[in-house]
Amino acid sequence: NAGVMQNPRHLVRRRGQEARLRCSPMKGHSHVYWYRQLPEEGLKFMVYLQKENIIDESGMPKERFSAEFPKEGPSILRIQQVVRGDSAAYFCASSPQGPVGYTFGSGTRLTVV
Amino acid sequence: KNEVEQSPQNLTAQEGEFITINCSYSVGISALHWLQQHPGGGIVSLFMLSSGKKKHGRLIATINIQEKHSSLHITASHPRDSAVYICAVRSDTGNQFYFGTGTSLTVIP
Repeated sequence: NAGVMQNPRHLVRRRGQEARLRCSPMKGHSHVYWYRQLPEEGLKFMVYLQKENIIDESGMPKERFSAEFPKEGPSILRIQQVVRGDSAAYFCASSPQGPVGYTFGSGTRLTVV
Repeated sequence: KNEVEQSPQNLTAQEGEFITINCSYSVGISALHWLQQHPGGGIVSLFMLSSGKKKHGRLIATINIQEKHSSLHITASHPRDSAVYICAVRSDTGNQFYFGTGTSLTVIP
């Protein structure tokens, strides 16, 4: 059981480029959560997805950010036209049934230069 | 004001000391989580509580729902316990999670 796998671990993008962050949940988990940890700040909820559905995206910025969790394959957090303020650690967590039995991935550290 | 407040922000202890980290929250919750974030950045879920007390090895977590307060205790602390400990609560009105800003613990040999 490989746990929650996030890749890449580190991602460097120039301003204006697109960043795609991937999260493969634990086997048997169909609920995925994305969080952002800005430098010197705590974790902030971004979006909660089940297979093919966005359940709660109340923490997602209104522009440039999108997330999906297709029937097959990993969940993707996509950031278009990145800016320096997007530099952060992005964590994914998965659970089998809602936020119970929560497991976090190791995160993707995005640096925008 | 944050929905979740932790104290202390930073804590240095000698190996073997008993450690307490506190968490207070201001929203109605369905569950409270204690997380551990290691210097490399990975996050591990330590406990999920909705009432009472849980124990795992040298770690003990308690919650008082009426007082909206939880504590994480580490007995016989060890340098490998050095990490950031984060309190997180799940709102009882939806899927929202709120996080404390963490307590940075350093245990000195």
